[in-house]
Amino acid sequence: AQSVTQPDIHITVSEGASLELRCNYSYGATPYLFWYVQSPGQGLQLLLKYFSGDTLVQGIKGFEAEFKRSQSSFNLRKPSVHWSDAAEYFCAVGNFGNEKLTFGTGTRLTIIP
Amino acid sequence: GAVVSQHPSRVICKSGTSVKIECRSLDFQATTMFWYRQFPKQSLMLMATSNEGSKATYEQGVEKDKFLINHASLTLSTLTVTSAHPEDSSFYICSAGRWGSSGANVLTFGAGSRLTVL
Repeated sequence: AQSVTQPDIHITVSEGASLELRCNYSYGATPYLFWYVQSPGQGLQLLLKYFSGDTLVQGIKGFEAEFKRSQSSFNLRKPSVHWSDAAEYFCAVGNFGNEKLTFGTGTRLTIIP
Repeated sequence: GAVVSQHPSRVICKSGTSVKIECRSLDFQATTMFWYRQFPKQSLMLMATSNEGSKATYEQGVEKDKFLINHASLTLSTLTVTSAHPEDSSFYICSAGRWGSSGANVLTFGAGSRLTVL
């Protein structure tokens, strides 16, 4: 069975500082990996996804993520965070042709001035 | 871009009543729709997978008689919480799948519906 682990429940970062959110997955085949962001009381917005090809994926809002098969990881990064990045971030894994995603437990990001 | 509309965004009902939540794909036909439940400060738990014209597939532990799903068209799926009780209070989110240019399905999520059962 597929699973996703986000080890950090809550991260606090100063505005302008760099950010890395961790995601580890367990999956038998080649995974399809996603990062979503959720603002309070809202649905999920797709930040980026990895299906195949270049393991460094660029997303919206200046985010990027790197797929590392050897480490079963798909960490999300941003070089300089903005106060508007404060939200809940979810990593998810799925497989081709099946949109059934398994989500991690999420990481809440707080930005301090 | 693809938009999924979910209605209502908030609903309060009395215990024992039924509540219907709609999920519409506004500018695309969804091959599949999904319903999730999210408890406060927790992740999304998949409840069921909905395909147009067929019965929904429920995840283990989800009561199909409690959470009725109807997928009447390629753009509309509804979730009805029957005989709602306070423990059904939650944030319900739908998503709709469509084939992207990469050849794989891409999900678009609705904004969610907050159900409070008194």
